[in-house]
Amino acid sequence: DTGVSQDPRHKITKRGQNVTFRCDPISEHNRLYWYRQTLGQGPEFLTYFQNEAQLEKSRLLSDRFSAERPKGSFSTLEIQRTEQGDSAMYLCASSTNSVQGAWGGYTFGSGTRLTVV
Amino acid sequence: AQTVTQSQPEMSVQEAETVTLSCTYDTSESDYYLFWYKQPPSRQMILVIRQEAYKQQNATENRFSVNFQKAAKSFSLKISDSQLGDAAMYFCAYRTLYSGNTPLVFGKGTRLSVIA
Repeated sequence: DTGVSQDPRHKITKRGQNVTFRCDPISEHNRLYWYRQTLGQGPEFLTYFQNEAQLEKSRLLSDRFSAERPKGSFSTLEIQRTEQGDSAMYLCASSTNSVQGAWGGYTFGSGTRLTVV
Repeated sequence: AQTVTQSQPEMSVQEAETVTLSCTYDTSESDYYLFWYKQPPSRQMILVIRQEAYKQQNATENRFSVNFQKAAKSFSLKISDSQLGDAAMYFCAYRTLYSGNTPLVFGKGTRLSVIA
């Protein structure tokens, strides 16, 4: 297992276009998280899944954002009608849902850098 | 809701010296975990050290140690014998003990520069 993988690493899109990012978590991790990080800021929580169920969504996740995790494996984050304010690093992380998992923290991917022009 | 505050946007340290990064948090819970993550310029976040709130003893990992003051809700990171590779953003983070609840909450980070 090579850790958490995110694709693409970089994405430049025109305002108004739709974009989709993919995250492949560590295989034995049943929790998957999406965070957004703007320049010079800490990661802000967007949403998370336990297996295929989306358990929580942040108020940051507007109706233009949708996330899925079919079959509880990889996840996709789609942004529709992108705006310049969506420019950020989108981080994916995974963990187990046990108390041991909480203690272990998260394993992060390298992120997808989105630039909306 | 829990909040994490890092009051030092930037810090610098001479190579081989010691630096302390500050973190405070706000919670009404008595049991939780605290973490320090490092984010080098390559952008992948790496777990540096962690602390269980119900343990009095401060965690230590090689050159990294914490000063956990539960009553003061303070969780500082000390880096000893600083190395050039320590240069990065450092994030303090909080997580409830009961993993069915809120996800990891991060502070805004401290950018650490190491001067040769």
